[in-house]
Amino acid sequence: DAKTTQPTSMDCAEGRAANLPCNHSTISGNEYVYWYRQIHSQGPQYIIHGLKNNETNEMASLIITEDRKSSTLILPHATLRDTAVYYCIAYLYNTDKLIFGTGTRLQVFP
Amino acid sequence: NAGVTQTPKFQVLKTGQSMTLQCAQDMNHEYMSWYRQDPGMGLRLIHYSVGAGITDQGEVPNGYNVSRSTTEDFPLRLLSAAPSQTSVYFCASTRTGANSPLHFGNGTRLTVT
Repeated sequence: DAKTTQPTSMDCAEGRAANLPCNHSTISGNEYVYWYRQIHSQGPQYIIHGLKNNETNEMASLIITEDRKSSTLILPHATLRDTAVYYCIAYLYNTDKLIFGTGTRLQVFP
Repeated sequence: NAGVTQTPKFQVLKTGQSMTLQCAQDMNHEYMSWYRQDPGMGLRLIHYSVGAGITDQGEVPNGYNVSRSTTEDFPLRLLSAAPSQTSVYFCASTRTGANSPLHFGNGTRLTVT
């Protein structure tokens, strides 16, 4: 599975868009990019995933570059409840070691 | 539909004691895994399983044993607890052979004194 790198922390004003980057330069053609978040000490929560195309759901949008070496998670209107650690991971078919990095700690402020 | 259920929620052990952390899922997921999370750190993979009777090591397997006798259950055993195993433990599951997300339990907070 490809290794991912993310900034350690980011801040965002409430109501503004939060753009969280992730680098996965060694990703292979069949590996998906997944995003999860962890609020306080709860179990991580799935947000969104994609392979090549940009994806959107009720929680967020995922923008994947054409070369697939990086992606950005967009929370369009961040709220205080979006304060969490966000993890980006890349993996294939869920049949291998699913390694989480240290993630990005997003702080949304009023 | 309960999802992934972990028991107990909290546990205190003395050094050298043994115990089993339970994990059960009711979604018929083939893939199950255990992670530990130390304060201020990310998740580290301990062991994982791609189906009944199949287990493999993750990043930090030492001091832990697992078995997978049924699709539903994936217990994690600490044979001789050490203070270094004080952590929050998360179990997760998902389907294999398709792109599907991990479902996590709510965690077990373990303290070893």
